[in-house]
This record gives sequence, structure tokens and C-alpha cells, in this order.
Amino acid sequence: DAMVIQNPRYQVTQFGKPVTLSCSQTLNHNVMYWYQQKSSQAPKLLFHYYDKDFNNEADTPDNFQSRRPNTSFCFLDIRSPGLGDAAMYLCATRPRGGDNSPLHFGNGTRLTVT
Amino acid sequence: AQSVTQPDIHITVSEGASLELRCNYSYGATPYLFWYVQSPGQGLQLLLKYFSGDTLVQGIKGFEAEFKRSQSSFNLRKPSVHWSDAAEYFCAVGAVNAGKSTFGDGTTLTVKP
Repeated sequence: DAMVIQNPRYQVTQFGKPVTLSCSQTLNHNVMYWYQQKSSQAPKLLFHYYDKDFNNEADTPDNFQSRRPNTSFCFLDIRSPGLGDAAMYLCATRPRGGDNSPLHFGNGTRLTVT
Repeated sequence: AQSVTQPDIHITVSEGASLELRCNYSYGATPYLFWYVQSPGQGLQLLLKYFSGDTLVQGIKGFEAEFKRSQSSFNLRKPSVHWSDAAEYFCAVGAVNAGKSTFGDGTTLTVKP
């Protein structure tokens, strides 16, 4: 089945220690998104790629970076995680020109910062 | 700017009872509207969407939603709730040509036996 896969499902990192979360998709969608979701809150868009074009949200901290080496893969790098960065991180995809298309989500990575 | 309000943070219903989850949106034109469901520890799954045509849309798992432009609402309904429907529900609005969705804060549904 075509899908969005996030690894790992659970990630524990230390305060200030860089961490990378990964997302892969077999849907061949052009657009990929990274959302941060804290407990009992709405997913908050961090950034998205339209093909290789990177679009950062204005309020996304510089501590968060992303890479998309090819259509299938996208990475979220947190350079110096703080306690406030503990959250669920959701990757989602959408086809090009599909504003009326739903987002396809992975199951998320739960990040804990100790 | 677009926004979504889900007035009910938490709703509890008995199994077999009917359900309505409220969603109000703010958007300058005809919006694309979505309802997603999230089970604990999982990503979001699409229940249904609206972007044009019939204002009553049917989704998966027996859910439906009605778009009411005059009320800027897109409420989700189900005639008879099952215990497996317990989850968090998010309403979202999508912007034309922006490719981004804005989510409401979600409504947590608890189902009593």
C-alpha cells in the first residue's frame, strides 16, 4: 500500500543534542510537510517542500531545519533540542496542485527531550 | 488569514447515541474543508472533505458533515456512535493556491458504554 512512513516512532534525545527525524513516502507526492503537535493541540506547520522548493513558516525557530534529498524522503533536523521541543512530529504529503486534496499523514514520531 | 474554531474541547456520548462536532471557519473565499480523526499515538486520517457541490458530504466510518456558508460552519455528524470512534477530531481549512491547511485545536471524543 502506498503510504507515508516515519522513523523512528519514538525518539529520546538529550537537551542540546542534535536529532534527525525521517519521513519517506511511496505516494510520489510533490509536496511534503512537517508539523509539530503538542499534547491536546492542533498540528502546527513548521515548513513544507513544494518539490525541492523549501517554504519556511515565519514563526518556525531557526533551531529547526529540513532536507529533502529526493521526492521520497524528507528529514527534520533539530539542531539543539530544548525541553519545549518535546512533541509529536508529523510528516504529511499532498500531490502537486492538490489544494483540495487531503493531507496524507504518517504515524508520527514522538520526541522526548531529557 | 484563515482560521478554524472547534468550540468543544471534549465531548462525551453514550455508545449508540448521535454525535455532532462543531467547526467554524474564517476564510475570505470558498474554503476547502476537511475533517480528520487521530487515534492515540497515530497520525491523522481523513474522514471527509468538502470543496464544492453538494453541501452534505459523506465520509468513511459512517460520518457526514454539512457545509453551511451562512454560518461559516462545517459540523461533523454521526447518527450512532461506536466505542471505536473514541479519538481526537480535527477540522481543517485549506487555502486555495497556498497548499497549506490550518487546523482547529481538536475535539476529544469519549464514548461511554
